[in-house]
Amino acid sequence: QKEVEQNSGPLSVPEGAIASLNCTYSDRVSQSFFWYRQYSGKSPELIMSIYSNGDKEDGRFTAQLNKASQYVSLLIRDSQPSDSATYLCAVNKGGSYIPTFGRGTSLIVHP
Amino acid sequence: DVKVTQSSRYLVKRTGEKVFLECVQDMDHENMFWYRQDPGLGLRLIYFSYDVKMKEKGDIPEGYSVSREKKERFSLILESASTNQTSMYLCASSLAGVSREQYFGPGTRLTVT
Repeated sequence: QKEVEQNSGPLSVPEGAIASLNCTYSDRVSQSFFWYRQYSGKSPELIMSIYSNGDKEDGRFTAQLNKASQYVSLLIRDSQPSDSATYLCAVNKGGSYIPTFGRGTSLIVHP
Repeated sequence: DVKVTQSSRYLVKRTGEKVFLECVQDMDHENMFWYRQDPGLGLRLIYFSYDVKMKEKGDIPEGYSVSREKKERFSLILESASTNQTSMYLCASSLAGVSREQYFGPGTRLTVT
């Protein structure tokens, strides 16, 4: 089992819809969780971090963490074509400098 | 805003050449990282450094070395470039301690012919 798993997609949603991106992780001692956005040919850009169970909102983005079920998700409300990118989930074990990245989910928002 | 810069966006080198990739960050971050990213393989950690002159191997250190003489600068060295090192190379930095957000540079697309 991979340590951090994401569906590779592509996930296709219409403009204005809610896009839901999911990530599961295997290590129960994981403590920190991050979402990055990566446009084609560009480097990853941090969108959100979440450390506690529950929801964290930032503009159109909401990160949701459920440690008991070992998943973290990213919701994008009112999706725009400019949100079309690959979204990477990253997870840090407790005491580690180094996050483990998932391979990313490709999101396509069509007009 | 955190700024991480890399010396080149695109680089073409010949097999056997020694290649230097430079990364500089301006936010006084203690941790610095080098990754490579290939289609279907995701991000793979080559080396990281948590302090000046300190370095640790990542998942794929073979064929690479690093240097960190100053806090803001972390260099990746390909001792003798090979075609299988053709890749996107990404530098990242983060604050001291564990479980901190990483900030990435723009990347260097290296082609070895």
